[in-house]
Amino acid sequence: DSGVTQTPKHLITATGQRVTLRCSPRSGDLSVYWYQQSLDQGLQFLIQYYNGEERAKGNILERFSAQQFPDLHSELNLSSLELGDSALYFCASSQGGLETQPQHFGDGTRLSIL
Amino acid sequence: GQQVMQIPQYQHVQEGEDFTTYCNSSTTLSNIQWYKQRPGGHPVFLIQLVKSGEVKKQKRLTFQFGEAKKNSSLHITATQTTDVGTYFCAARSNYQLIWGAGTKLIIKP
Repeated sequence: DSGVTQTPKHLITATGQRVTLRCSPRSGDLSVYWYQQSLDQGLQFLIQYYNGEERAKGNILERFSAQQFPDLHSELNLSSLELGDSALYFCASSQGGLETQPQHFGDGTRLSIL
Repeated sequence: GQQVMQIPQYQHVQEGEDFTTYCNSSTTLSNIQWYKQRPGGHPVFLIQLVKSGEVKKQKRLTFQFGEAKKNSSLHITATQTTDVGTYFCAARSNYQLIWGAGTKLIIKP
């Protein structure tokens, strides 16, 4: 158990809809990262938050947004969903804001767009 | 932007054979991390290398960081079924980790 909690585990929805994925980092971790992993593909970095502030941005679509709340949990919002958004979305956390620290991953949310 | 090239994409081995995956960068890396993702699982941190020429071992796994800090390798000796999964390298660049595409280790039946 990594200590990172993601909900829900599975999400099935239709094109055009909007969903919210939630992540609770490990106790004491200040950084949260979001990744997208399509079937049998690598990890696509989306965005990082550190102590409530956006710290780094990867290939995140404009239809996607995220935030980190004062209690350090984070939410990833995906809107105007398309079939190609079907993927496994991972959240990871690390102790500080330094990218030299190990990242601890949650079990992911599997999003299926019908 | 900086890229980390990881090869091969797949490697099929007989149980007991060795396995190696390589990560290469055109620029000098300050550090490199290795992760393992089991089928159906999430990536799990294995190790971090920081120093030029560094070699670290974890049982049957040997991790190396090149002298020029532009490449790294992970070698598994005498693979076992528990080694099955995808191995990723990740390197630091501008406040984020740049991930390799991963090497999938498949054990032939």
